[in-house]
Amino acid sequence: DVKVTQSSRYLVKRTGEKVFLECVQDMDHENMFWYRQDPGLGLRLIYFSYDVKMKEKGDIPEGYSVSREKKERFSLILESASTNQTSMYLCASSLDLAGGTNVLTFGAGSRLTVL
Amino acid sequence: AQTVTQSQPEMSVQEAETVTLSCTYDTSESDYYLFWYKQPPSRQMILVIRQEAYKQQNATENRFSVNFQKAAKSFSLKISDSQLGDAAMYFCASYWGGSQGNLIFGKGTKLSVKP
Repeated sequence: DVKVTQSSRYLVKRTGEKVFLECVQDMDHENMFWYRQDPGLGLRLIYFSYDVKMKEKGDIPEGYSVSREKKERFSLILESASTNQTSMYLCASSLDLAGGTNVLTFGAGSRLTVL
Repeated sequence: AQTVTQSQPEMSVQEAETVTLSCTYDTSESDYYLFWYKQPPSRQMILVIRQEAYKQQNATENRFSVNFQKAAKSFSLKISDSQLGDAAMYFCASYWGGSQGNLIFGKGTKLSVKP
């Protein structure tokens, strides 16, 4: 089975700190995604990557950046954390974007609290 | 804009009974894919079932089945013989293909199962 591992389940950071959320998948998937999940808002895409060093903005990229130096690893970076970035962050990967094969495998999530 | 709407924020079902979760979507595309994902409490999101829009036959996975009404743009999930382990957030999602790779998620329905 594909495994998507997020390095931290819970983080508490202070306003203005730089935050790194790491995600690793072990099944050679082409695509990786970062979503933000908030109650009543569902999942919103922050960024995704379809290849090493390639990235595309999602619906809510402001305040975030990403890095994909290796195929298996996709990092989400908050350059200067703010309280409105307190949320659950979900990483996901998929084999490719060809129609029905764009099935997402999710990590367990990282709950970030910014004080 | 492509949208996915889940009109039931919360649902409840008695163990062993059947429950149907609603989902509607809006798209002008002719080819697309629809998914139901399940997120148990404090656990990672997993795929429950998927449907290709070009297929008329409704998808089925054990106790989970869908009622896909393409003309009405409706994609409901039926859970038969509900079990305590079915308690979770359920998200409907759609994918219209292309290089963006973005699944559009609904806001979710929280399902409770009563013993």
